[in-house]
Amino acid sequence: DGGITQSPKYLFRKEGQNVTLSCEQNLNHDAMYWYRQDPGQGLRLIYYSQIVNDFQKGDIAEGYSVSREKKESFPLTVTSAQKNPTAFYLCASRTPGEQFFGPGTRLTVL
Amino acid sequence: KNEVEQSPQNLTAQEGEFITINCSYSVGISALHWLQQHPGGGIVSLFMLSSGKKKHGRLIATINIQEKHSSLHITASHPRDSAVYICAAYTNKLIFGTGTLLAVQP
Repeated sequence: DGGITQSPKYLFRKEGQNVTLSCEQNLNHDAMYWYRQDPGQGLRLIYYSQIVNDFQKGDIAEGYSVSREKKESFPLTVTSAQKNPTAFYLCASRTPGEQFFGPGTRLTVL
Repeated sequence: KNEVEQSPQNLTAQEGEFITINCSYSVGISALHWLQQHPGGGIVSLFMLSSGKKKHGRLIATINIQEKHSSLHITASHPRDSAVYICAAYTNKLIFGTGTLLAVQP
C-alpha cells in the first residue's frame, strides 16, 4: 500500500542534541512538507520541497534543517538552536488532487 | 486574526445527531481541505474541494467560493466520529485552522 512512513513514533532526546526525524513516501509525490503541531495551535509549516534537491523555508524554519536527496525521502533535523523543540511533527506529501499525511513523530526534549 | 477560522472549537453531540463544523478563510485559495485527526496524532484527508459539494458516506463537505466559507456535515453521528476536524486552505501551501474537537456520546 502507498503511504508515508515516519519513524520513530516517539522520540526522546536530551537538550542540546541534534535529532533527525525520518519521513519516507512511496506515493511518487514530488512535493513534501514538514509541519509542527503544538497544543491548541494549528499546524505550522517548517520546510517544504517541491522537487528533489530543492527545498524552501516555511513559517517557522529557525532551528531546523532538511535535505531532499531522493524523491522518496525528506528527513528533518531538529538542531540544538531550536528553542522549543518538544512538539508533534508531521510529514506530508502532495500532488494536485492528493494530500497525504504521515502518522507523526512526537519529540520530547528533556 | 487567523487566515483560517473554524467554529465551534469544541462540540459535543449525542449519537445520531446531525453535526456541522464551519470554516471561513480570508485568503485566495486553489483548494480547501477537511482533515480528521484521531488521538495519537495521525491525520487523514477527508475531502479536497475547489467548488460545490462532495459526499463520502455520512460525511458531506460544501464550499462557497464567493463567501469564502466551507462546512463539514456529519449525518447520523457515531461515537467513532469523535476526533479533531481540521480545515486547511491551500494557496501555494496549506494554512490550517486550529481544529474542532468533536465528541459524540452514545
